[in-house]
Amino acid sequence: EVQLLESGGGLVQPGGSLRLSCTASGFTFGSYPMNWVRQAPGKGLEWVSGLSSRSTKTYYADSVKGRFTISRDNAKNTLYLQMNSLRAEDTAIYYCAKNRQRWEPSEFDDWGQGTLVTVSS
Amino acid sequence: DIQMTQSPSSLSASVGDRVTITCRASQGINNYLAWFQQKPGKAPKSLIYAASSLQSGVPSKFSGSGSGTDFTLTISSLQPEDFATYYCQQYDSFPLTFGGGTKVEI
Repeated sequence: EVQLLESGGGLVQPGGSLRLSCTASGFTFGSYPMNWVRQAPGKGLEWVSGLSSRSTKTYYADSVKGRFTISRDNAKNTLYLQMNSLRAEDTAIYYCAKNRQRWEPSEFDDWGQGTLVTVSS
Repeated sequence: DIQMTQSPSSLSASVGDRVTITCRASQGINNYLAWFQQKPGKAPKSLIYAASSLQSGVPSKFSGSGSGTDFTLTISSLQPEDFATYYCQQYDSFPLTFGGGTKVEI
């Protein structure tokens, strides 16, 4: 069974930094591209960033480009999202999502349960 | 960027109803269209990919259709567990984009 477990969320001041983690199990993590998707309180889904299986290609939404960095450690089965220069509008639940195919872009199949990031003074 | 427009934004239905949700892309997306279900306080669940293919374990009461820029999600006989918000998403090109969601209420 595929499991994706996010962690690292919390309360941070505007301008601060936070690193999210997504620990994977139940599949060959290093073979699949991964993504981060967020959802602001009461709002819809917004794709944030994607990363190829071997970290050769990164993709970002314009809203986070230059501030967020996606990375992965295939030896640790873990996906990361380093978030810098955080703004109030970055407040959201952050989900990691696995590609169904071994290339990108492709459809997602599995999602984590999410971790809440709150940016406030 | 490809814009995804869902309609309606919400709908009221009864148990047993047939429900159809529409999603329109601002340009052709080669049928790279997915549908997700999200219940309150829960993570999204993947339902359909490639416009009409069911994800593993998804019941056949869910079906997707369409091509080019216009797509639909149909729930054949609404059950209490189907009351949720549904999102479409294009994965033809980055940035990946979602529709605004359709809330299905009693």
